[in-house]
Amino acid sequence: NAGVTQTPKFQVLKTGQSMTLQCAQDMNHEYMSWYRQDPGMGLRLIHYSVGAGITDQGEVPNGYNVSRSTTEDFPLRLLSAAPSQTSVYFCASTPATGLRGYTFGSGTRLTVV
Amino acid sequence: DQQVKQNSPSLSVQEGRISILNCDYTNSMFDYFLWYKKYPAEGPTFLISISSIKDKNEDGRFTVFLNKSAKHLSLHIVPSQPGDSAVYFCAAADAGGTSYGKLTFGQGTILTVHP
Repeated sequence: NAGVTQTPKFQVLKTGQSMTLQCAQDMNHEYMSWYRQDPGMGLRLIHYSVGAGITDQGEVPNGYNVSRSTTEDFPLRLLSAAPSQTSVYFCASTPATGLRGYTFGSGTRLTVV
Repeated sequence: DQQVKQNSPSLSVQEGRISILNCDYTNSMFDYFLWYKKYPAEGPTFLISISSIKDKNEDGRFTVFLNKSAKHLSLHIVPSQPGDSAVYFCAAADAGGTSYGKLTFGQGTILTVHP
């Protein structure tokens, strides 16, 4: 099925560990984004990309890295996990042409202990 | 600095009645607005959008109203159904250039529709 696929769905990390959250879309969308959802905060933008090789920071980028080597994939790297990064992470994509809603993945629930 | 605000954390409505969810924004550069619906353990799902050149957009039971002078938008659901029970997020973007890649979300409103 066409859409946005996130892996893993759940992850527990120890403080200081690193990991990569994977995101892939098969809709040939130019724009991709990473958000985190925390209680009472809504969704906050971490990083986004408007095409392969182009990334930019969002509202809460500290502690995260991204790269966009292909149109399909947009991985999010946690460099040294901290308890403050415990959250639900969503990846989303949308075409650049026209104004349409983003398509979201089902999320990765990350706990840092 | 919360640029998009949903001041009602929750709303309870009887089945068949109207649900009205509200959203306020402060950034004058925002010119494209969206509503998303989210069920537990799922990603948000796009519902409806409106650009600043319009003041109303309808899609079935869902209507979004935009009041640019008040920097306020609302989502009307008529008639409300129990399956509409979810968290509703409003979001905004500056559609110019690559800023469209950045959505700013409100905190969300939990809608409960009672049978």
